[in-house]
Amino acid sequence: KNEVEQSPQNLTAQEGEFITINCSYSVGISALHWLQQHPGGGIVSLFMLSSGKKKHGRLIATINIQEKHSSLHITASHPRDSAVYICAVVSGSQGNLIFGKGTKLSVKP
Amino acid sequence: DGGITQSPKYLFRKEGQNVTLSCEQNLNHDAMYWYRQDPGQGLRLIYYSQIVNDFQKGDIAEGYSVSREKKESFPLTVTSAQKNPTAFYLCASSILGGLTDTQYFGPGTRLTVL
Repeated sequence: KNEVEQSPQNLTAQEGEFITINCSYSVGISALHWLQQHPGGGIVSLFMLSSGKKKHGRLIATINIQEKHSSLHITASHPRDSAVYICAVVSGSQGNLIFGKGTKLSVKP
Repeated sequence: DGGITQSPKYLFRKEGQNVTLSCEQNLNHDAMYWYRQDPGQGLRLIYYSQIVNDFQKGDIAEGYSVSREKKESFPLTVTSAQKNPTAFYLCASSILGGLTDTQYFGPGTRLTVL
């Protein structure tokens, strides 16, 4: 079983829809990152969070340490949000970053 | 403009040849990283360096080598010992080496070994 699981693997939405991408993990962590990978391959860091919730523009990230779960929400989705969204956890015991396989989002106009 | 550059974007090599991937940053970051990305898999750490003239193996270092002679540069050599070298390679940097630091990624190099 993978230590970091993302769901769904693929997601297609219509422009304007509210999007939720989930990340569950099985290891103890000290923090979690959300990253965005553009179709060309470049990666941008979106959030780093260790508790609660963070918001940046139309993006909201939440984490529940007790439930070992994080969500990334996109409000009023737009075709330019089409990308692969990657969750990565900072493993406390292993002292490293463990990456999920990513969720591919496609937003149709 | 500050950032990370990787060159080339696409690279083709024959089996058995060593190949070096370039990574340069002008962000004045101390830490630099090399990752490998394969279809359907998460990123995996190959090597990282937290300071000039020092580097550490990541999860999949076998068949790879690096150097860190300058703060700005962290080239990765894919040797003929790497069994499955065809992949997308990403270089990243961060201000320090902490795992909670934001990492800034380069555009990547797609290596195909024929």
